Amino acid sequence: GDSVTQMEGPVTLSEEAFLTINCTYTATGYPSLFWYVQYPGEGLQLLLKATKADDKGSNKGFEATYRKETTSFHLEKGSVQVSDSAVYFCARSNQGAQKLVFGQGTRLTINP
Amino acid sequence: GAGVSQSPSNKVTEKGKDVELRCDPISGHTALYWYRQSLGQGLEFLIYFQGNSAPDKSGLPSDRFSAERTGGSVSTLTIQRTQQEDSAVYLCASSLTGGADNYGYTFGSGTRLTVV
Repeated sequence: GDSVTQMEGPVTLSEEAFLTINCTYTATGYPSLFWYVQYPGEGLQLLLKATKADDKGSNKGFEATYRKETTSFHLEKGSVQVSDSAVYFCARSNQGAQKLVFGQGTRLTINP
Repeated sequence: GAGVSQSPSNKVTEKGKDVELRCDPISGHTALYWYRQSLGQGLEFLIYFQGNSAPDKSGLPSDRFSAERTGGSVSTLTIQRTQQEDSAVYLCASSLTGGADNYGYTFGSGTRLTVV
């Protein structure tokens, strides 16, 4: 079935460090891929998305590239800030494109 | 409304009692979703509405769980005879058309349910 596997957390980095959070998905159909972010005390928000192979989604300095050959959608940011501390969820659309299937989430903490 | 509204934000109930959780989606959004987020777990899909009908209720964990949507708007998730394993944050999301590819979801802030 459709599933998403994320890098285990928690992840702790220092400010201005380079961030990668790994995400792989099951290669069924032609899914769209998403990253959602949940800041402390808030609801989930869409961070970025990519709808087809080789597309790059970007927002707020974060980027992720849809890699069909490796079934991956890794989240990257060149220089993280304390305000990036949050839980990050990778997701794919299911084969009917009616719902999203989420990974387990990765908690990121950035220390000043 | 401006966003997806869920109520109550917190609910503590005794084991065996019934609870109702409410979701008010963004006006005009035809698709509505319920997810459950347990401590340390990802988001578990429960049910999806398109208008008032539920084409996918495959995620409801048992027949104690039910949901309805009326007027293509407000949805209620009901849990009967609550158990401690039902403790979680219940998230509602809405989407303009239900096509996950194009629009993604807008999530509410969730209802934190604690069964004691």
